[in-house]
Amino acid sequence: NAGVTQTPKFRVLKTGQSMTLLCAQDMNHEYMYWYRQDPGMGLRLIHYSVGEGTTAKGEVPDGYNVSRLKKQNFLLGLESAAPSQTSVYFCASSSPSSEAFFGQGTRLTVV
Amino acid sequence: GDSVTQMEGPVTLSEEAFLTINCTYTATGYPSLFWYVQYPGEGLQLLLKATKADDKGSNKGFEATYRKETTSFHLEKGSVQVSDSAVYFCALKSGSGAGSYQLTFGKGTKLSVIP
Repeated sequence: NAGVTQTPKFRVLKTGQSMTLLCAQDMNHEYMYWYRQDPGMGLRLIHYSVGEGTTAKGEVPDGYNVSRLKKQNFLLGLESAAPSQTSVYFCASSSPSSEAFFGQGTRLTVV
Repeated sequence: GDSVTQMEGPVTLSEEAFLTINCTYTATGYPSLFWYVQYPGEGLQLLLKATKADDKGSNKGFEATYRKETTSFHLEKGSVQVSDSAVYFCALKSGSGAGSYQLTFGKGTKLSVIP
């Protein structure tokens, strides 16, 4: 019973490098989300998707891109990492009638 | 837009003490309300929820009542344990409109319970 799985769990990047975070869910949920968690800021929505092939901007989308080519996967990309993107990233999924289910998080450090 | 305000932490309690974490919200329509818990090094887990006014959500000894008149959803537990040490997030999901699938979170309250 995997639920929501994020890879990788930890990553260190140099400023200017790019990377992709992968989120996979096995609950057949329509909606998927990427959040970042920073001390004292709670969780802030980066991008979200309401279905395969659709994405939309959240509260803090700048510097990130996303894709949802398959219903079960939601990718978060950083094209040119900056130290301000050092954070813990959480993926979540839900259906219209359910609560959100979260992955274990990815701790990203940009040096 | 929607917003959630919860009491600032950190909160430190002795084992078996009574816990209250305040949460108030601003939203259009009739939102669903949630409390999530995050244990150290883990993701968020749903603790309890309420979907309409006067509903009481409960789980693991925690309770919260959806109060529409005061726009509040305060979390309570009568006797906390060391294992309850975690960060608690209040959240809402708008009941209607284009953003009805999005969760809005408070900033979290860190609870530490000492033996």
